[in-house]
Amino acid sequence: QKEVEQNSGPLSVPEGAIASLNCTYSDRVSQSFFWYRQYSGKSPELIMSIYSNGDKEDGRFTAQLNKASQYVSLLIRDSQPSDSATYLCAVNANTGTASKLTFGTGTRLQVTL
Amino acid sequence: SQTIHQWPATLVQPVGSPLSLECTVEGTSNPNLYWYRQAAGRGLQLLFYSVGIGQISSEVPQNLSASRPQDRQFILSSKKLLLSDSGFYLCAWSVLDRAEQYFGPGTRLTVT
Repeated sequence: QKEVEQNSGPLSVPEGAIASLNCTYSDRVSQSFFWYRQYSGKSPELIMSIYSNGDKEDGRFTAQLNKASQYVSLLIRDSQPSDSATYLCAVNANTGTASKLTFGTGTRLQVTL
Repeated sequence: SQTIHQWPATLVQPVGSPLSLECTVEGTSNPNLYWYRQAAGRGLQLLFYSVGIGQISSEVPQNLSASRPQDRQFILSSKKLLLSDSGFYLCAWSVLDRAEQYFGPGTRLTVT
């Protein structure tokens, strides 16, 4: 069974600090990796996609992928209270016409003043 | 730009009653469509996906069913709800050959 593991948290960081969120996955053939942000009571919002090993930066967000270690992470620089949410890691392994994502249970991030 | 709608936003139904949730996508043609359920404190569980009109794949055996009567319409149904059907139901879409999925606002279902 394909699994995506995340620490449930909460991860508490002070405002302005770097938040580091981690995710491991079990399926070695996984090809696409995503981070979603989910505010309490709302639907998930896609914030980062990464497909190849290394780092991908978008504003204050950096996604890091290491396929050999089956590990993907999300760094949030200059954390703001508005970043407080649950962050879901998602992995896609299939090559068919439908994109089937396997989600982790999420890490709850709290940014404190 | 693409927009995805779901309704109703919230629903309270008694055990044994039927269910119909609707999802529509605007601004794209022939999307892949997905139904997920998120139970309280748990991860997203893929229930159904569809790559075209009338084409439905089920991921989890249960008392729910899905239909896609039109290209951009996806419906989740049940003939008799169970208490365990309570949760946050999310519809998502993706473009053919792309893995990114985009979620609708969701329907919060409480079965009493």
